[in-house]
Amino acid sequence: NAGVTQTPKFQVLKTGQSMTLQCAQDMNHNSMYWYRQDPGMGLRLIYYSASEGTTDKGEVPNGYNVSRLNKREFSLRLESAAPSQTSVYFCASSVGHSSNYGYTFGSGTRLTVV
Amino acid sequence: GNSVTQMEGPVTLSEEAFLTINCTYTATGYPSLFWYVQYPGEGLQLLLKATKADDKGSNKGFEATYRKETTSFHLEKGSVQVSDSAVYFCALTQHMEYGNKLVFGAGTILRVKS
Repeated sequence: NAGVTQTPKFQVLKTGQSMTLQCAQDMNHNSMYWYRQDPGMGLRLIYYSASEGTTDKGEVPNGYNVSRLNKREFSLRLESAAPSQTSVYFCASSVGHSSNYGYTFGSGTRLTVV
Repeated sequence: GNSVTQMEGPVTLSEEAFLTINCTYTATGYPSLFWYVQYPGEGLQLLLKATKADDKGSNKGFEATYRKETTSFHLEKGSVQVSDSAVYFCALTQHMEYGNKLVFGAGTILRVKS
C-alpha cells in the first residue's frame, strides 16, 4: 500500500524560480491537505481540499497555489520562490472532513530556496 | 482559534524509563485530540486519538486521556525503548468554513538512550 506519495523528496530552488510539488493518494480519501513544517512551529496548514473540485486557504497561503486535479492528486505550486519558503512540505489525506478522522501523511519534500 | 501547547524538549530518557509528554489545549467546543509521531526522515504517523471527554486513546504501549476539566491530553508510556526516539506532536481539530483541520503543537523531541 503506497498511501500518500510526494515528489520530489528534495529540491533546491533559486529565488524567483517556480516549481510544483506533487501529491497522490491511493486510499480513495476525499480530503487532502498541504502543510509546511518549520522548526519550533509545528505544522501549519497552507491549503486544503475538503473534496474533489474544491480548494480553500489555510493559515499561511500567501505565495502558494494549489490544484485538486482529481480525487487522487493535489499539487502545490510556488510561482516565485522566496527564501522564507524554505521548509519541509507535507501532503496529507483523510477519509472525510469530520473531526474524528486522523490524517495519513506523505514522507515530505524538503525545499531549500537560495 | 484553537491552539496546542506542548512541553519543550528535547526529553532525554534511559531505556525502560517512564515517559510523560505534556499537552494542553485551548479550544471552542469539543475537539478531537490526537498524538502523532515523526521518525527521522519520515512523515507523521497517527499514534492515538480520543474523540470525547474522558476517552483514553492507546497504541503501542502509549496512552493519553482526554481531560476536559484540565484541557489536557498528556502522552504516557510505562517503559520506553530506544526505538521510541522520535518527535511527538499533539494536535486537535478546528472547524473551518469547509470541513476541519488539524492544529499542531510545536512538537517534542524524545531521545532514549540504551
